[in-house]
Amino acid sequence: GAGVSQTPSNKVTEKGKYVELRCDPISGHTALYWYRQSLGQGPEFLIYFQGTGAADDSGLPNDRFFAVRPEGSVSTLKIQRTERGDSAVYLCASSWGAGELFFGEGSRLTVL
Amino acid sequence: AQSVSQHNHHVILSEAASLELGCNYSYGGTVNLFWYVQYPGQHLQLLLKYFSGDPLVKGIKGFEAEFIKSKFSFNLRKPSVQWSDTAEYFCAVILQTGANNLFFGTGTRLTVIP
Repeated sequence: GAGVSQTPSNKVTEKGKYVELRCDPISGHTALYWYRQSLGQGPEFLIYFQGTGAADDSGLPNDRFFAVRPEGSVSTLKIQRTERGDSAVYLCASSWGAGELFFGEGSRLTVL
Repeated sequence: AQSVSQHNHHVILSEAASLELGCNYSYGGTVNLFWYVQYPGQHLQLLLKYFSGDPLVKGIKGFEAEFIKSKFSFNLRKPSVQWSDTAEYFCAVILQTGANNLFFGTGTRLTVIP
């Protein structure tokens, strides 16, 4: 498709489990972003990729969170030992640079 | 600390009423400014943006915003709202130099009553 694609759209898991969330950006976009949005809050920055490398990972809350983009296109956000506080909508966005970000519909993560 | 503030958490208007949503930011450098909209059940979409030039920018669906540098503000306006404008509105800021991440406000929920 033409937009940013995120899978799964919904993920329910148990506390302590490992989760992967996938983002397929718009073709040709070099920049890719992950955000987290909790209920009643604005999107919170997690990590930004320029190509294959993480240009800024200052928003990752702790070392249970990790993201990769091995070929400069698809990205995976990985969460180890999930906690109930990780429940949120995880948003992916892509862009050509420091301009408009195009967002996906998000992956809603629920940790029981 | 750097931040984006949206003063109104929930705004309820009747159709045809005028709208103004406040946004203030606290960054010392030169910024690019955005308003994003999220309709119920949909993803974030760009409403309008300001990079440079005329501080009054016009976006889609009759929305406009004015950048007032001295007030660090970028308020969103629409002269006459419609029921279909019911959505969550987010102001966002990105520094023109340095970090490339977009900082968002907490959002304003707009409910338009037919």
